[in-house]
Amino acid sequence: ETGVTQSPTHLIKTRGQQVTLRCSSQSGHNTVSWYQQALGQGPQFIFQYYREEENGRGNFPPRFSGLQFPNYSSELNVNALELDDSALYLCASSLTRQGTYNEQFFGPGTRLTVL
Amino acid sequence: KQEVTQIPAALSVPEGENLVLNCSFTDSAIYNLQWFRQDPGKGLTSLLLIQSSQREQTSGRLNASLDKSSGRSTLYIAASQPGDSATYLCAVRGTGRRALTFGSGTRLQVQP
Repeated sequence: ETGVTQSPTHLIKTRGQQVTLRCSSQSGHNTVSWYQQALGQGPQFIFQYYREEENGRGNFPPRFSGLQFPNYSSELNVNALELDDSALYLCASSLTRQGTYNEQFFGPGTRLTVL
Repeated sequence: KQEVTQIPAALSVPEGENLVLNCSFTDSAIYNLQWFRQDPGKGLTSLLLIQSSQREQTSGRLNASLDKSSGRSTLYIAASQPGDSATYLCAVRGTGRRALTFGSGTRLQVQP
Protein backbone atom coordinates (compact mmCIF):
# COMPACT_ATOMS: atom_id res chain seq x y z
CA GLU A 1 0.00 0.00 0.00
CA THR A 2 1.47 3.33 -1.07
CA GLY A 3 1.27 6.26 1.33
CA VAL A 4 0.54 9.89 0.53
CA THR A 5 3.19 11.48 -1.66
CA GLN A 6 3.78 15.14 -2.50
CA SER A 7 5.90 16.94 -5.05
CA PRO A 8 8.07 18.87 -5.18
CA THR A 9 9.80 18.61 -1.82
CA HIS A 10 11.05 22.17 -1.87
CA LEU A 11 10.25 25.16 -4.03
CA ILE A 12 11.51 28.73 -4.23
CA LYS A 13 9.43 31.40 -5.96
CA THR A 14 9.34 35.19 -6.09
CA ARG A 15 6.46 37.47 -5.19
CA GLY A 16 3.76 37.64 -7.82
CA GLN A 17 4.54 34.27 -9.35
CA GLN A 18 2.22 31.28 -9.48
CA VAL A 19 2.89 27.81 -8.07
CA THR A 20 1.37 24.34 -8.39
CA LEU A 21 1.85 21.69 -5.74
CA ARG A 22 0.89 18.06 -6.28
CA CYS A 23 -0.41 15.28 -4.07
CA SER A 24 -1.06 11.59 -4.68
CA SER A 25 -3.50 10.10 -2.24
CA GLN A 26 -3.08 6.81 -0.44
CA SER A 27 -4.43 3.77 -2.24
CA GLY A 28 -8.17 3.37 -1.63
CA HIS A 29 -8.69 6.96 -0.48
CA ASN A 30 -11.07 9.30 -2.30
CA THR A 31 -10.67 12.56 -0.39
CA VAL A 32 -7.80 15.02 -0.29
CA SER A 33 -7.38 17.90 2.15
CA TRP A 34 -4.75 20.64 1.97
CA TYR A 35 -3.22 22.48 4.91
CA GLN A 36 -0.78 25.36 5.26
CA GLN A 37 1.67 25.30 8.15
CA ALA A 38 3.61 28.46 8.92
CA LEU A 39 6.80 28.15 10.93
CA GLY A 40 6.07 27.43 14.58
CA GLN A 41 2.33 27.10 14.04
CA GLY A 42 -0.14 24.27 13.64
CA PRO A 43 -1.49 23.46 10.18
CA GLN A 44 -4.38 25.59 8.89
CA PHE A 45 -7.07 24.04 6.69
CA ILE A 46 -7.14 25.40 3.14
CA PHE A 47 -9.73 23.20 1.43
CA GLN A 48 -10.86 19.65 0.79
CA TYR A 49 -11.70 17.82 -2.43
CA TYR A 50 -14.08 14.89 -2.76
CA ARG A 51 -15.33 13.44 -6.03
CA GLU A 52 -13.40 16.09 -7.92
CA GLU A 53 -15.25 18.95 -6.25
CA GLU A 54 -14.33 21.35 -3.48
CA ASN A 55 -16.00 20.02 -0.35
CA GLY A 56 -15.15 22.63 2.24
CA ARG A 57 -12.85 25.61 2.49
CA GLY A 58 -10.98 27.41 5.23
CA ASN A 59 -10.27 31.12 5.53
CA PHE A 60 -8.04 31.46 2.48
CA PRO A 61 -8.45 33.89 -0.45
CA PRO A 62 -9.57 32.78 -3.93
CA ARG A 63 -6.02 32.91 -5.25
CA PHE A 64 -5.68 29.56 -3.49
CA SER A 65 -7.40 27.04 -5.76
CA GLY A 66 -7.30 23.33 -6.33
CA LEU A 67 -8.21 20.37 -8.46
CA GLN A 68 -8.87 16.72 -7.90
CA PHE A 69 -8.45 14.23 -10.69
CA PRO A 70 -10.37 10.99 -11.41
CA ASN A 71 -7.55 8.98 -9.80
CA TYR A 72 -8.09 11.10 -6.63
CA SER A 73 -4.74 12.87 -6.87
CA SER A 74 -4.88 16.60 -6.33
CA GLU A 75 -3.21 19.92 -7.08
CA LEU A 76 -2.98 23.09 -5.05
CA ASN A 77 -2.49 26.26 -7.08
CA VAL A 78 -1.52 29.59 -5.59
CA ASN A 79 -1.57 32.72 -7.74
CA ALA A 80 0.06 36.10 -7.10
CA LEU A 81 2.38 34.73 -4.42
CA GLU A 82 2.99 36.83 -1.33
CA LEU A 83 5.82 36.62 1.18
CA ASP A 84 3.37 35.29 3.81
CA ASP A 85 2.64 32.29 1.58
CA SER A 86 6.01 30.88 2.62
CA ALA A 87 5.10 27.75 4.56
CA LEU A 88 5.00 23.96 4.60
CA TYR A 89 2.03 22.76 2.54
CA LEU A 90 0.62 19.47 3.69
CA CYS A 91 -1.71 17.17 1.85
CA ALA A 92 -3.83 14.58 3.64
CA SER A 93 -5.88 11.79 2.14
CA SER A 94 -8.78 9.90 3.63
CA LEU A 95 -11.68 7.66 2.73
CA THR A 96 -15.07 9.31 2.81
CA ARG A 97 -18.14 7.12 3.01
CA GLN A 98 -21.66 8.22 3.60
CA GLY A 99 -21.80 9.83 7.03
CA THR A 100 -18.34 8.67 8.04
CA TYR A 101 -15.28 10.85 8.55
CA ASN A 102 -12.25 8.63 8.51
CA GLU A 103 -8.71 9.28 9.64
CA GLN A 104 -6.59 11.62 7.53
CA PHE A 105 -3.12 10.45 6.54
CA PHE A 106 -0.57 13.13 5.80
CA GLY A 107 2.14 13.39 3.19
CA PRO A 108 5.68 14.70 3.84
CA GLY A 109 4.78 18.22 2.67
CA THR A 110 6.16 20.75 0.22
CA ARG A 111 8.27 23.57 1.62
CA LEU A 112 7.48 26.76 -0.31
CA THR A 113 9.72 29.81 0.07
CA VAL A 114 8.59 33.10 -1.47
CA LEU A 115 11.31 35.72 -1.91
CA LYS B 1 -15.27 28.72 15.88
CA GLN B 2 -13.22 25.88 17.32
CA GLU B 3 -9.95 26.87 18.99
CA VAL B 4 -7.33 24.38 20.14
CA THR B 5 -4.67 25.26 22.69
CA GLN B 6 -1.67 23.19 23.68
CA ILE B 7 0.28 23.67 26.87
CA PRO B 8 3.19 23.81 27.37
CA ALA B 9 4.58 25.20 24.11
CA ALA B 10 7.94 23.58 24.85
CA LEU B 11 9.14 20.95 27.27
CA SER B 12 12.56 19.55 28.08
CA VAL B 13 12.87 16.40 30.20
CA PRO B 14 15.60 13.88 31.06
CA GLU B 15 15.43 10.45 29.48
CA GLY B 16 13.24 7.96 31.30
CA GLU B 17 10.79 10.50 32.68
CA ASN B 18 7.04 10.06 32.28
CA LEU B 19 5.33 13.15 30.88
CA VAL B 20 1.95 14.60 30.03
CA LEU B 21 1.08 16.92 27.16
CA ASN B 22 -2.13 18.91 27.36
CA CYS B 23 -4.65 19.93 24.73
CA SER B 24 -7.82 21.95 25.25
CA PHE B 25 -10.57 22.84 22.81
CA THR B 26 -13.41 25.33 23.03
CA ASP B 27 -16.27 23.48 21.29
CA SER B 28 -17.08 20.12 22.86
CA ALA B 29 -19.19 19.02 19.87
CA ILE B 30 -16.39 17.05 18.28
CA TYR B 31 -16.33 13.99 16.04
CA ASN B 32 -12.87 12.83 17.04
CA LEU B 33 -9.51 14.01 18.31
CA GLN B 34 -6.13 13.02 16.97
CA TRP B 35 -2.56 13.32 18.25
CA PHE B 36 0.27 13.70 15.74
CA ARG B 37 4.03 13.75 15.88
CA GLN B 38 6.04 16.05 13.62
CA ASP B 39 9.80 15.95 13.20
CA PRO B 40 11.48 19.20 12.08
CA GLY B 41 10.52 20.14 8.52
CA LYS B 42 8.61 16.89 8.03
CA GLY B 43 5.01 15.80 7.63
CA LEU B 44 2.67 14.56 10.33
CA THR B 45 2.64 11.06 11.74
CA SER B 46 -0.60 10.01 13.38
CA LEU B 47 -0.08 8.61 16.87
CA LEU B 48 -3.55 8.08 18.28
CA LEU B 49 -7.12 8.83 17.24
CA ILE B 50 -9.92 8.98 19.80
CA GLN B 51 -13.53 8.92 18.68
CA SER B 52 -15.92 11.19 20.57
CA SER B 53 -17.53 8.17 22.22
CA GLN B 54 -14.20 6.92 23.60
CA ARG B 55 -12.37 7.95 26.75
CA GLU B 56 -8.85 6.83 25.86
CA GLN B 57 -6.59 5.08 23.40
CA THR B 58 -3.27 3.36 23.95
CA SER B 59 -0.40 2.49 21.67
CA GLY B 60 2.81 1.19 23.19
CA ARG B 61 4.20 3.81 25.57
CA LEU B 62 1.55 6.34 24.53
CA ASN B 63 -1.84 6.84 26.12
CA ALA B 64 -4.28 9.54 25.08
CA SER B 65 -7.38 10.47 27.05
CA LEU B 66 -10.39 12.53 26.07
CA ASP B 67 -12.79 14.44 28.31
CA LYS B 68 -15.26 15.98 25.90
CA SER B 69 -17.35 17.73 28.53
CA SER B 70 -14.40 19.71 29.82
CA GLY B 71 -12.85 20.14 26.37
CA ARG B 72 -9.57 18.47 27.26
CA SER B 73 -7.26 15.75 26.07
CA THR B 74 -3.94 14.57 27.40
CA LEU B 75 -1.14 12.59 25.81
CA TYR B 76 0.85 10.55 28.29
CA ILE B 77 4.30 9.33 27.26
CA ALA B 78 5.86 6.71 29.50
CA ALA B 79 9.60 6.23 29.96
CA SER B 80 10.57 8.93 27.49
CA GLN B 81 13.49 8.37 25.10
CA PRO B 82 15.65 10.79 23.06
CA GLY B 83 13.89 9.46 19.94
CA ASP B 84 10.64 10.91 21.27
CA SER B 85 12.02 14.41 20.68
CA ALA B 86 9.64 16.09 18.23
CA THR B 87 6.68 18.44 18.10
CA TYR B 88 3.40 16.91 19.21
CA LEU B 89 0.21 18.30 17.69
CA CYS B 90 -3.36 17.86 18.81
CA ALA B 91 -6.15 18.15 16.22
CA VAL B 92 -9.91 18.15 16.58
CA ARG B 93 -12.54 17.34 13.99
CA GLY B 94 -15.92 18.89 14.68
CA THR B 95 -19.23 17.23 13.93
CA GLY B 96 -20.27 17.89 10.35
CA ARG B 97 -16.90 19.37 9.45
CA ARG B 98 -14.35 18.12 7.04
CA ALA B 99 -11.33 19.88 8.46
CA LEU B 100 -9.04 19.24 11.36
CA THR B 101 -8.40 22.18 13.68
CA PHE B 102 -4.89 22.03 15.08
CA GLY B 103 -3.18 23.44 18.12
CA SER B 104 0.22 25.05 17.78
CA GLY B 105 1.95 22.04 19.24
CA THR B 106 4.27 21.17 22.12
CA ARG B 107 7.94 20.96 21.23
CA LEU B 108 9.43 18.12 23.27
CA GLN B 109 13.11 17.55 23.87
CA VAL B 110 14.22 14.43 25.73
CA GLN B 111 17.77 14.73 26.98
CA PRO B 112 19.99 11.63 27.08
